[in-house]
Amino acid sequence: SYELTQPPSVSVSPGQTARITCSGDALPKKYAYWYQQKSGQAPVLVIYEDSKRPSGIPERFSGSSSGTMATLTISGAQVEDEADYYCYSTDSSGNHRGVFGGGTKLTVL
Amino acid sequence: QVQLVQSGAEVKKPGASVKVSCKASGYTFTSYDINWVRQATGQGLEWMGWMNPNSGNTGYAQKFQGRVTITRNTSISTAYMELSSLRSEDTAVYYCARASGYPREWGQGTLVTVSS
Repeated sequence: SYELTQPPSVSVSPGQTARITCSGDALPKKYAYWYQQKSGQAPVLVIYEDSKRPSGIPERFSGSSSGTMATLTISGAQVEDEADYYCYSTDSSGNHRGVFGGGTKLTVL
Repeated sequence: QVQLVQSGAEVKKPGASVKVSCKASGYTFTSYDINWVRQATGQGLEWMGWMNPNSGNTGYAQKFQGRVTITRNTSISTAYMELSSLRSEDTAVYYCARASGYPREWGQGTLVTVSS
């Protein structure tokens, strides 16, 4: 079955740029989406269609995709950005089957 | 505003089935898909399946094929996810989400505990 691969953890100091990657064979043909999940809460969409930001999401969150890798960038990470981040996409079978990456724990301290 | 309100926590014995509901409000229920996603304690998100509330068409992750059924009642803007033949590994928080090719807004989650 289709898989998306993320690093288990990323650590930055406040004000630094955090980059979280997501790799998958179908990403050249399929959009990537990114979710932020804080402890005990439901996930929140922070990036859709590779690089678009929903209303209400701070400008420091951005996304990009090239080849088989999508990247979530948090420019000037803040303490409140500490959370788990998941990428999401669909496989290329045409059956609309979704898949999440394994998640990345972002530590900001 | 879009709201998805899920049913309360459940405790089930191994081999039983569970049915979780998801009541939508703040938008036209039949205009967006519903996705179901689960998360075991301390683990990542796991996509289970989708439904088009207008047509009733569904699609499921291969892992859950034959064990999960997603249905709806359009008259009350509610979607349901039923998981059968429960085992301890199915203990998790189950989420519904409004979707348009991807999950957008999420319900609050429903904890399902499978224990003898």
